Amino acid sequence: AQKITQTQPGMFVQEKEAVTLDCTYDTSDQSYGLFWYKQPSSGEMIFLIYQGSYDEQNATEGRYSLNFQKARKSANLVISASQLGDSAMYFCAMREQSGGYQKVTFGIGTKLQVIP
Amino acid sequence: DTGVSQDPRHKITKRGQNVTFRCDPISEHNRLYWYRQTLGQGPEFLTYFQNEAQLEKSRLLSDRFSAERPKGSFSTLEIQRTEQGDSAMYLCASSHVSDYSNQPQHFGDGTRLSIL
Repeated sequence: AQKITQTQPGMFVQEKEAVTLDCTYDTSDQSYGLFWYKQPSSGEMIFLIYQGSYDEQNATEGRYSLNFQKARKSANLVISASQLGDSAMYFCAMREQSGGYQKVTFGIGTKLQVIP
Repeated sequence: DTGVSQDPRHKITKRGQNVTFRCDPISEHNRLYWYRQTLGQGPEFLTYFQNEAQLEKSRLLSDRFSAERPKGSFSTLEIQRTEQGDSAMYLCASSHVSDYSNQPQHFGDGTRLSIL
């Protein structure tokens, strides 16, 4: 099974609207972390938001929030009030701790395009 | 905080040549990661260091690949006898280990390798 699944290759959203990018994950670890990164066309990976497996509250960072549903193993990213500068690739990632070592797995990404 | 620095930004070489990339992490970060990203994919984990110790290597890291972090600061990734399939973006990231569970990895801008 894929560790991280992002089922939306591409998404469109109208400027100022909210958009949800889906991410499901697969792990048998009890302790893990979930991340979202943004990668503009320029190529740099920009950290957006983090959710720990034991965190009871959904993470929020400005216009970004993470809809964490542990039982469903989903960690969807919600971007509110979309801006043109939000157009980019978005990657969901999971960090697991196994036998004292870390494993980090990224999904294949979702391309978001914000329409004026 | 000058961020993660990678050098060079671009490398074009002929098949069969050796190449070496350098990564300078954020100064207080003791974990350093290497990833490879091909077109249309998310970053794939290659290896990571805690200080100077290389703690884990992916199966993607064939015998032609070697990474070092001799003094626990900068790291180098060398690819020997390059092949067409090595063409990719090589990303370096660093993080702080004191609380690994919620410390994001900060990425450099990457080195884009093209094999002729």
